[in-house]
Amino acid sequence: QQPVQSPQAVILREGEDAVINCSSSKALYSVHWYRQKHGEAPVFLMILLKGGEQKGHDKISASFNEKKQQSSLYLTASQLSYSGTYFCGTESLRRGDMRFGAGTRLTVKP
Amino acid sequence: EPEVTQTPSHQVTQMGQEVILRCVPISNHLYFYWYRQILGQKVEFLVSFYNNEISEKSEIFDDQFSVERPDGSNFTLKIRSTKLEDSAMYFCASRTGAGNTIYFGEGSWLTVV
Repeated sequence: QQPVQSPQAVILREGEDAVINCSSSKALYSVHWYRQKHGEAPVFLMILLKGGEQKGHDKISASFNEKKQQSSLYLTASQLSYSGTYFCGTESLRRGDMRFGAGTRLTVKP
Repeated sequence: EPEVTQTPSHQVTQMGQEVILRCVPISNHLYFYWYRQILGQKVEFLVSFYNNEISEKSEIFDDQFSVERPDGSNFTLKIRSTKLEDSAMYFCASRTGAGNTIYFGEGSWLTVV
């Protein structure tokens, strides 16, 4: 029931781009992206709702393909502050539930 | 900015003891959640709570776990007889409605010895 994320880990140099994917076997109402720094609570990045949209702020954006039940998070021109574990959370059409993927550990090096 | 608050931030307990973790969700929120994260692992869903009842629970949330909303502000997670494998960070979260942002508390770190 939980979404599947890939890759499990990414190592980048500052300024490089990365894509993190999230897929579900269930029809989705929304996809949520969070970033978690070590020892801290997950921090909200963005929500994508049913209807197939793309969102972004700064150099982080995401897309949601509801037909394929997939979402991708795009990080462009990565900064050191982007390091952390990225989780996608998916909400089914039944709504109210929220399950998280296993996370993608992103490390940005100088 | 309103936030979800959790207490205690850290608790050490002996195996077999009961533990209550407390949360104060954001005041106008209607959906409440408990998640668990074992050190270095993923965030695992435990339970969701809406309209004064459990709306969904995971396979982790067995008879040893219970949740309550004893008054209009608190939301508690009780573990009746703790096991070593219950050691984890427990996050409370809340949101106004389905499809909206889930806000996490800072977590309660539980260590069972």
